[in-house]
Amino acid sequence: EADIYQTPRYLVIGTGKKITLECSQTMGHDKMYWYQQDPGMELHLIHYSYGVNSTEKGDLSSESTVSRIRTEHFPLTLESARPSHTSQYLCASSASLGLAGVAGELFFGEGSRLTVL
Amino acid sequence: GENVEQHPSTLSVQEGDSAVIKCTYSDSASNYFPWYKQELGKGPQLIIDIRSNVGEKKDQRIAVTLNKTAKHFSLHITETQPEDSAVYFCAASPPLPNNLFFGTGTRLTVIP
Repeated sequence: EADIYQTPRYLVIGTGKKITLECSQTMGHDKMYWYQQDPGMELHLIHYSYGVNSTEKGDLSSESTVSRIRTEHFPLTLESARPSHTSQYLCASSASLGLAGVAGELFFGEGSRLTVL
Repeated sequence: GENVEQHPSTLSVQEGDSAVIKCTYSDSASNYFPWYKQELGKGPQLIIDIRSNVGEKKDQRIAVTLNKTAKHFSLHITETQPEDSAVYFCAASPPLPNNLFFGTGTRLTVIP
């Protein structure tokens, strides 16, 4: 069982509200990720971090922002939510294997399903 | 960047039959190919992976094959059971940026 937690699991909010999706892991992983998952299943990388104070944008442009002040915590924020932000957001983490260019297993949280009315 | 294609998007099989899901990738430098299973209401979970120095790997009823020349890899599930019903994702990882690029997913339904 992976020790990575997302809150809230479900959130329904009105347009224009600011929201923060929380993600925490207790495995000491350096790398953390945010994926957006379509209703049609596709997973799109929107943000990632390779360590504290490191954040990068992913392949899919997103109006959200992230921060990585502590190793275990990687929150995602939307300053002004819109209906187009309605989606499932999945957080994940992985350990650095100590070998350059070698990827490791991703551990996913159970997701935060956001609905913006 | 890496582009991963996955087929089929949906697959229905009778319990006990085999299921095969195929993926192709575009970046010949990719060296890690995991498969994830996502059950309803949960995040994806790794079920098997293969690295580029290996052509085949098996774990009980699940096997993965890799053809580096053709840049494709496949997931094989034998003796399928209803609990195998889920969405399956393939992925490929090039050394840089060392992130996973996912396929579009296959919804597998095992009919009892």
